[in-house]
Amino acid sequence: AQTVTQSQPEMSVQEAETVTLSCTYDTSENNYYLFWYKQPPSRQMILVIRQEAYKQQNATENRFSVNFQKAAKSFSLKISDSQLGDTAMYFCAFMRFSGTASKLTFGTGTRLQVTL
Amino acid sequence: DGGITQSPKYLFRKEGQNVTLSCEQNLNHDAMYWYRQDPGQGLRLIYYSQIVNDFQKGDIAEGYSVSREKKESFPLTVTSAQKNPTAFYLCASGRRNRGSPTEAFFGQGTRLTVV
Repeated sequence: AQTVTQSQPEMSVQEAETVTLSCTYDTSENNYYLFWYKQPPSRQMILVIRQEAYKQQNATENRFSVNFQKAAKSFSLKISDSQLGDTAMYFCAFMRFSGTASKLTFGTGTRLQVTL
Repeated sequence: DGGITQSPKYLFRKEGQNVTLSCEQNLNHDAMYWYRQDPGQGLRLIYYSQIVNDFQKGDIAEGYSVSREKKESFPLTVTSAQKNPTAFYLCASGRRNRGSPTEAFFGQGTRLTVV
């Protein structure tokens, strides 16, 4: 079974600064996807960034980037130039790369507060 | 507009009653998922389905049931057997890329309260 661990329940960062959220996972699979989702106070889940395990290059989406370390099973999210609108819960998620019955498993989340 | 629609947004249930949460998608996605969210516990998978007329139990399926009679619809029934049903429920759907699943897209959720 796959597990996803987010060891930082809460974090705070000042506007315009950079923050890194940690995520580790445990799996015996070789092919899989990793995701970071954002859940603002509206509770709508929004995909932030996606990483395919077979790709060595770290994914980047504007101010959001990941540091994917496959051997260490680590998948951290870096938010640059933090904005007040980045305040939200952030969830790391794992999906195995299977043609059938693919589960999407989430971590417990990190609450990020961006302050002035 | 394409998307995932969950209804109702808020739902109240008396103890001992079954209740069904609706989830409809017009994205032509094959996969659909139901999650439960409680404070401090993230999202826990209840049931998921990859194709019509087929579904699998997730990590916390006890007290819940689903059906997948149509590609667009994946309703979740919370039965009286569920000991602590008060929670926020999220439905999601996922597309495939060259046969493999990709990211999931979420509805806006249903807040269920047992009174």
